[in-house]
Amino acid sequence: AQKITQTQPGMFVQEKEAVTLDCTYDTSDPSYGLFWYKQPSSGEMIFLIYQGSYDQQNATEGRYSLNFQKARKSANLVISASQLGDSAMYFCAMREVIPNSGYALNFGKGTSLLVTP
Amino acid sequence: ETGVTQTPRHLVMGMTNKKSLKCEQHLGHNAMYWYKQSAKKPLELMFVYSLEERVENNSVPSRFSPECPNSSHLFLHLHTLQPEDSALYLCASSQEGQGGYEQYFGPGTRLTVT
Repeated sequence: AQKITQTQPGMFVQEKEAVTLDCTYDTSDPSYGLFWYKQPSSGEMIFLIYQGSYDQQNATEGRYSLNFQKARKSANLVISASQLGDSAMYFCAMREVIPNSGYALNFGKGTSLLVTP
Repeated sequence: ETGVTQTPRHLVMGMTNKKSLKCEQHLGHNAMYWYKQSAKKPLELMFVYSLEERVENNSVPSRFSPECPNSSHLFLHLHTLQPEDSALYLCASSQEGQGGYEQYFGPGTRLTVT
């Protein structure tokens, strides 16, 4: 069953505006981690931001912030002051435990963001 | 070199060929991963190595064979692939036991099977 849901296949935003990319998740673990990655056309997955399930405050990293609503099981990414270089695929991911081992990331299908001049 | 590197960046191979993908991480991490990214599909975890031991293979066909000789290097050996194996193969590393276990990815190898 899909554990990470990104309902927006594509989004447009004008340069210098803010944009919110949606992510909902499903887990029964009390301890989990949520991540956002950016994938430009070059293919590399770039780590943006992390939110732990026990973190009291929403994570922020520069122009990126994570709107974490635990009761709703949502972890939306907010990009402020969009730049043309922000055009890329954005993936939400959740850390999952591999029994008797370590961890892996379970990714959503991604949202394609296009920033227009 | 910094971060995670992968070679080759592009690979075209026939179904009867044998090739290998290489990944090297320069971050001092203790876990490495292979992911497959097909068009319009989420990333699929293929293999996990933690402390150089394979801990997860996620039901990957045997035509994919991983190798982790040390904590910095990871290989994916390919043989008798199928056209549906054409995809972007991403390597990642992380430090287990610290922080959020965020994974850092290489640029990927874009594989085309003809």
